[in-house]
Amino acid sequence: DGGITQSPKYLFRKEGQNVTLSCEQNLNHDAMYWYRQDPGQGLRLIYYSQIVNDFQKGDIAEGYSVSREKKESFPLTVTSAQKNPTAFYLCASSPGGVPSPLHFGNGTRLTVT
Amino acid sequence: AQSVTQLDSQVPVFEEAPVELRCNYSSSVSVYLFWYVQYPNQGLQLLLKYLSGSTLVESINGFEAEFNKSQTSFHLRKPSVHISDTAEYFCAVTRNSGGSNYKLTFGKGTLLTVNP
Repeated sequence: DGGITQSPKYLFRKEGQNVTLSCEQNLNHDAMYWYRQDPGQGLRLIYYSQIVNDFQKGDIAEGYSVSREKKESFPLTVTSAQKNPTAFYLCASSPGGVPSPLHFGNGTRLTVT
Repeated sequence: AQSVTQLDSQVPVFEEAPVELRCNYSSSVSVYLFWYVQYPNQGLQLLLKYLSGSTLVESINGFEAEFNKSQTSFHLRKPSVHISDTAEYFCAVTRNSGGSNYKLTFGKGTLLTVNP
């Protein structure tokens, strides 16, 4: 079955450490996205990539970094510069081009103490 | 820039009652509109979408939404809800501005709780 895999489901880190969240898709989609979800805040776009080796900042990119070296992979690094990193992180993909719906992974819940 | 307002953060209803989840948007250009549903500790799933054509769109599980351009709204309705409809619902918009950049802007979500 095609889909998006985010791992791990739960992640715990100490303050000051960088952490990388994995996102892999086998849908052959060109575009991939990272969203952050906080209670009562909806989803906010962190970074997105429309093609391999290219990505753009979203609305809240500060303290985050990404890479897109392969079409199927779009890892997100939460750096120590992110002031409030504890959140639910969602990865999504779409075919790109026409306004196709986003396909979401099941998320990674990151807790930083 | 576009924005989305979901007017109710929580909507409690009884099973088999009708429900309406409200969504208003603002944009200086024409838009595409979506409703997504999120069950606890999961990602979002597309419920329905408006791209063009008929302003009334339906999902396979009985939800419908009507695009109202004059009121800039895209409210979600279901005539009779089930316990299994309990979830958080997100309205989203993207500008119809051509090209290939279709970033979605999401509302803050409405938690629908269906009680027995």
